[in-house]
Amino acid sequence: EIVMMQSPATLSVSPGERATLSCRASQSVSSNLAWYQQKPGQAPRLLIYGASTRATGIPARFSGSGSGTEFTLTISSLQSEDFAVYYCQQYNNWPLFGGGTKVEIK
Amino acid sequence: QVTLKESGPVLVKPTETLTLTCTVSGFSLSNARMGVSWIRQPPGKALEWLAHIFSNDEKSYSTSLKSRLTISKDTSKSQVVLTMTNMDPVDTATYYCARIPRGELFPFDYWGQGTLVTVSS
Repeated sequence: EIVMMQSPATLSVSPGERATLSCRASQSVSSNLAWYQQKPGQAPRLLIYGASTRATGIPARFSGSGSGTEFTLTISSLQSEDFAVYYCQQYNNWPLFGGGTKVEIK
Repeated sequence: QVTLKESGPVLVKPTETLTLTCTVSGFSLSNARMGVSWIRQPPGKALEWLAHIFSNDEKSYSTSLKSRLTISKDTSKSQVVLTMTNMDPVDTATYYCARIPRGELFPFDYWGQGTLVTVSS
């Protein structure tokens, strides 16, 4: 059974700085990996799919990379609206989410 | 404009059966390779996929909850229904429905707002 692990659990970043979030799969999921952003009281929003393709309307400061078992979401310059929880999800097998990374204001 | 909206009871008692309805608009459940999933999120915790159904009526369930879940759709009403039997307080969560537009090897591109279900006597 696949396990999705995200690190760190919490990331403290100042506005304007770069944020790097990691997601690791216990076995290969190819490039079938998505990233979502969730703000309090809201549904998740699709940011990245296919490990590196931005979803419609997602700003260019969000980028994804990786394949197989190691994936990264990078936010190049954090804006105030980017402080949220981020989830990775593999869809190579049954959909499975990671535990999330909370990006908070430093 | 694609929208999904969940509806159902806000409170259920332990051992009862939960029935949730997802009403969609802006797309058809009969479109080729179109699917809808149910996903839940306990308060303060991570997301958990429960089940999905596709336009060809193919269904899949979470391994850990399979015995308790049933998913179905009514294309004419643009609705997807999830039933979960034998509810327990640990099933307290926000339940979301979400669209899968291009078959199983695609993520969830649109989500409903979610509905909070509390399990308590």
